Amino acid sequence: AQSVSQHNHHVILSEAASLELGCNYSYGGTVNLFWYVQYPGQHLQLLLKYFSGDPLVKGIKGFEAEFIKSKFSFNLRKPSVQWSDTAEYFCAVVAGAGSYQLTFGKGTKLSVIP
Amino acid sequence: NAGVTQTPKFRILKIGQSMTLQCTQDMNHNYMYWYRQDPGMGLKLIYYSVGAGITDKGEVPNGYNVSRSTTEDFPLRLELAAPSQTSVYFCASRVGRGSNQPQHFGDGTRLSIL
Repeated sequence: AQSVSQHNHHVILSEAASLELGCNYSYGGTVNLFWYVQYPGQHLQLLLKYFSGDPLVKGIKGFEAEFIKSKFSFNLRKPSVQWSDTAEYFCAVVAGAGSYQLTFGKGTKLSVIP
Repeated sequence: NAGVTQTPKFRILKIGQSMTLQCTQDMNHNYMYWYRQDPGMGLKLIYYSVGAGITDKGEVPNGYNVSRSTTEDFPLRLELAAPSQTSVYFCASRVGRGSNQPQHFGDGTRLSIL
C-alpha cells in the first residue's frame, strides 16, 4: 500500500522567513498529488494539486510545490510566510490513474511568529 | 452553495451508546468519504462510497457502519461507542471522474466518548 511521509512534525518560523515542507510518497506508478491546509478549528482546504504537466505548480496564497518524480517528492514552498499561514499542512496522494482513495501524510504544524 | 455539511459539530457520548454522524453534500458528487483525524496521525479513511448503494471499507472501518441510499447523504454510524473512537470526524466528497479531482471537506464533528 502507498504511504506518504512528511518529515517535519512542527515547524516554527518568523514572519517573512521562507518555508519548505517536505513530502515523500511510496508508489512507483502514476500519482496525483495534493497539499491541503487546515487552519485552527477549520476543515481541510485545497492549497494546490499536481496531476500532469509542469512539475512546478502554483496554488493559492502564494504557495507552490515541485513534483520531483525521481525523488518521489512533492515539497511545498512559500518565499515569505505570514502570521496568517499558521496552520497544519497535509500532503496527500492518489496512487494510480483510476484510484479514488486519498492517502494522507501525518501533517506538519506550522507556527509563524509575528 | 453549502458544499459538504456535517452535523452535529460536537457530541459527547457514553461508552456503549450509539449515534449517527450526518453528512450531506449538494454538489452532486458521486464519491463520498469518512475520515477520522487524531492528533499527529493525519487523516485515516474509515469508509467510502462511489455512488448510491455502493460502499466499501477504508483503512480503519472497525466499529463503524455506513449507508448510501442517496447521492447526497452518507451517514456514519457508531453502534457501541468506545473511548478509542474519540476523534474528529470529517466527511468529504468529490466528483467521480478523474483521480486528479480534489476532495471537498465538511467542517468536522468532534466526538468524545467518556
